[in-house]
Amino acid sequence: EPEVTQTPSHQVTQMGQEVILRCVPISNHLYFYWYRQILGQKVEFLVSFYNNEISEKSEIFDDQFSVERPDGSNFTLKIRSTKLEDSAMYFCASNKRTGFQPQHFGDGTRLSIL
Amino acid sequence: GESVGLHLPTLSVQEGDNSIINCAYSNSASDYFIWYKQESGKGPQFIIDIRSNMDKRQGQRVTVLLNKTVKHLSLQIAATQPGDSAVYFCAEILNSGYSTLTFGKGTMLLVSP
Repeated sequence: EPEVTQTPSHQVTQMGQEVILRCVPISNHLYFYWYRQILGQKVEFLVSFYNNEISEKSEIFDDQFSVERPDGSNFTLKIRSTKLEDSAMYFCASNKRTGFQPQHFGDGTRLSIL
Repeated sequence: GESVGLHLPTLSVQEGDNSIINCAYSNSASDYFIWYKQESGKGPQFIIDIRSNMDKRQGQRVTVLLNKTVKHLSLQIAATQPGDSAVYFCAEILNSGYSTLTFGKGTMLLVSP
């Protein structure tokens, strides 16, 4: 069964450094998402992306965050200058279309900011 | 009951029991709901979904019930197995024209052999 894959599984970064989290969505999917989950808390929406542009974003997704689909397979989340509170699990998800379609998630990248 | 911070509601059952996990969703205008299972170190895994024009949907060993009057969703797992042990989240979509998922707080299901 096709899967969303994310790399790396764990990223440790110094505060203030830039970090890029990578995702390969399911190949025939067109809608892509990033979510985050702070330890012990619920999953929170960050951003959705379709047709090479952001469709929606949450208050969390400020100008320190950006997303990109640099080629036909990868979908990346960049945090320009990381803060301690950015430490979380970051999940990528994708689906074929909006509407009554479940999103399929990767296993996440654990981001630890020191 | 409700949980705050690191404390998840926990349901402990014996293998073979039926489990019922409940969720209170937030927005009466939500029109699509999904149950996800999250095992330790993994991402949310789709289990079953339901549209707001339905009140019940069945899958393999799982049933979702929707009560729009009280904004309540439940997931029933029949003949629970140790492999069902995980955190279960309900998620809602406000407007099916978009796809922003709003997740609930989660319930930990512990299944003893």
